[in-house]
Amino acid sequence: DVKVTQSSRYLVKRTGEKVFLECVQDMDHENMFWYRQDPGLGLRLIYFSYDVKMKEKGDIPEGYSVSREKKERFSLILESASTNQTSMYLCASTTLGNEQFFGPGTRLTVL
Amino acid sequence: AQSVTQLGSHVSVSEGALVLLRCNYSSSVPPYLFWYVQYPNQGLQLLLKYTSAATLVKGINGFEAEFKKSETSFHLTKPSAHMSDAAEYFCAVKTDNQGGKLIFGQGTELSVKP
Repeated sequence: DVKVTQSSRYLVKRTGEKVFLECVQDMDHENMFWYRQDPGLGLRLIYFSYDVKMKEKGDIPEGYSVSREKKERFSLILESASTNQTSMYLCASTTLGNEQFFGPGTRLTVL
Repeated sequence: AQSVTQLGSHVSVSEGALVLLRCNYSSSVPPYLFWYVQYPNQGLQLLLKYTSAATLVKGINGFEAEFKKSETSFHLTKPSAHMSDAAEYFCAVKTDNQGGKLIFGQGTELSVKP
């Protein structure tokens, strides 16, 4: 059974903190994605990666960075969290041409 | 450039009634189209996908969607709604043949009344 896991389901951080969101997939997929989901806006792509150590900006990369040191793990980093980064964060993975598989999401609140 | 529009951010139906969730797309290449469902506090789960084979696609939980190129539509239907269908539904189009990037619609929240 395919699986994408995210390190936390709920996270509360303070403004200015550095935040790490971890995503791990066990399907040997090449491609991984980070989205944020906000009411009325659907899913917006933050960053994606086609291979280890490769990353590309999505539609809303400002305020975020990513790391992919191993094929199965894709990390999203908020260098200095701000209240407008309060959101649901979803990780997904896919192999070429197929559908994306999603993790359960991390609901981040920045106070 | 590809885009997806879902008509109606909220749809409410009675249990047993037809479910119709609308999705229109724009794509400069033959599209791959997807419907995902999201239950409260969960990630997205694939309902069905169109990948240029049969235009009528059957998915899980009794849902199906029809690809209509002339109308650039990919509407999701289910003949008889069940209470457990209450969720948010997302339509998505694959943007390229490399890497599988998707563009998502804004989502439609389906409510089912008893």
